[in-house]
Amino acid sequence: GEDVEQSLFLSVREGDSSVINCTYTDSSSTYLYWYKQEPGAGLQLLTYIFSNMDMKQDQRLTVLLNKKDKHLSLRIADTQTGDSAIYFCAEGVTGGGNKLTFGTGTQLKVEL
Amino acid sequence: DTEVTQTPKHLVMGMTNKKSLKCEQHMGHRAMYWYKQKAKKPPELMFVYSYEKLSINESVPSRFSPECPNSSLLNLHLHALQPEDSALYLCASSQDAPGGSMLSEHFGDGTRLSIL
Repeated sequence: GEDVEQSLFLSVREGDSSVINCTYTDSSSTYLYWYKQEPGAGLQLLTYIFSNMDMKQDQRLTVLLNKKDKHLSLRIADTQTGDSAIYFCAEGVTGGGNKLTFGTGTQLKVEL
Repeated sequence: DTEVTQTPKHLVMGMTNKKSLKCEQHMGHRAMYWYKQKAKKPPELMFVYSYEKLSINESVPSRFSPECPNSSLLNLHLHALQPEDSALYLCASSQDAPGGSMLSEHFGDGTRLSIL
């Protein structure tokens, strides 16, 4: 399968911005996603971006996509302790359901 | 609270046992998914059902047998599992749409499976 890479760990102070990076390999993906997973829970879709877009903003979240470099990032403004979780990027191919390939995941720790 | 309900939340079984994991959603979604997630790893897709028909099988061993009895239910039947099958098993659902569409998957909280 395709490899989708993320840095393993990120630590920020409350109120600062967090930037989580992702490098993907499948250029045929139509949409790219960011999911959040809290301990003991399933995944929650945070946001997504269409592959023809460069940027998408959704409240505190900003997604940047560099299709040439196959690089995706998620910026969380004014990071709160409730944002502490594991964040997965994912690339998807649809047709008969959705075939998602998840990144390796970044654990975000927000300190006071 | 999740709109995708998985039971049981925890399951411990021996290698010779037969058990089933269950998943239920009432959002009218016509695509349902099983994922396997090992600790500190991303979820790995196992099976996808589209309109109650198996559309994707990611070369999963036959000791895992999925079943979609109706549009709201998805089961995963387990038989003769190995210790390396211990993991969190996640169910998800989404609308189904032609290729090129954005599909938002809704995940359950998973069943944590331990094989002795």
